[in-house]
Amino acid sequence: KAGVTQTPRYLIKTRGQQVTLSCSPISGHRSVSWYQQTPGQGLQFLFEYFSETQRNKGNFPGRFSGRQFSNSRSEMNVSTLELGDSALYLCASSLRMGQGASNTEAFFGQGTRLTVV
Amino acid sequence: LAKTTQPISMDSYEGQEVNITCSHNNIATNDYITWYQQFPSQGPRFIIQGYKTKVTNEVASLFIPADRKSSTLSLPRVSLSDTAVYYCLVGRPTSGTYKYIFGTGTRLKVLA
Repeated sequence: KAGVTQTPRYLIKTRGQQVTLSCSPISGHRSVSWYQQTPGQGLQFLFEYFSETQRNKGNFPGRFSGRQFSNSRSEMNVSTLELGDSALYLCASSLRMGQGASNTEAFFGQGTRLTVV
Repeated sequence: LAKTTQPISMDSYEGQEVNITCSHNNIATNDYITWYQQFPSQGPRFIIQGYKTKVTNEVASLFIPADRKSSTLSLPRVSLSDTAVYYCLVGRPTSGTYKYIFGTGTRLKVLA
């Protein structure tokens, strides 16, 4: 069974540009969540999608957005990039929604390393 | 929001049992506690999840006291390949939704 696939693996963008990251969940998983990981802030939750609807959102500005398609694939978009957006962006999929609830084990992809210059 | 606190780092030797404690004083009634393992340049990997008392699987045990204000991940007989960062995650329902709070992570180094 294929794992969670994130593309691209590495990305370099210029300040002010926008970027779109892609995540293909494990087949049959309907929940996709996104996280930002930086050395200073650690792992921070961005948002979660289930059945094409955003169900949960972390404390990030509106420049961070996402969507989920009918096949459960998800994209994350960051507009007007800032230097501080440089991070590893991780996507995770699970059968059910809601990390920290019973039987919602999340499977993570390898991430997209975004560098903003 | 429930804040979690873990030791920043720990060293151990191969074959020893390692216990990593996570403090979550403000854990809510409906919260579960989940632990993940992360190797460099990889996404976190699920280890174990529990609500109360003790949970055991093929790789670890999770001990949760009655007040649930802390939890301890126990790794029996660690090997060099267990060198990784370990995260404690507490699921926090807020107004019908969840906000997922990862701990700061504990960097475990296993020595030969």
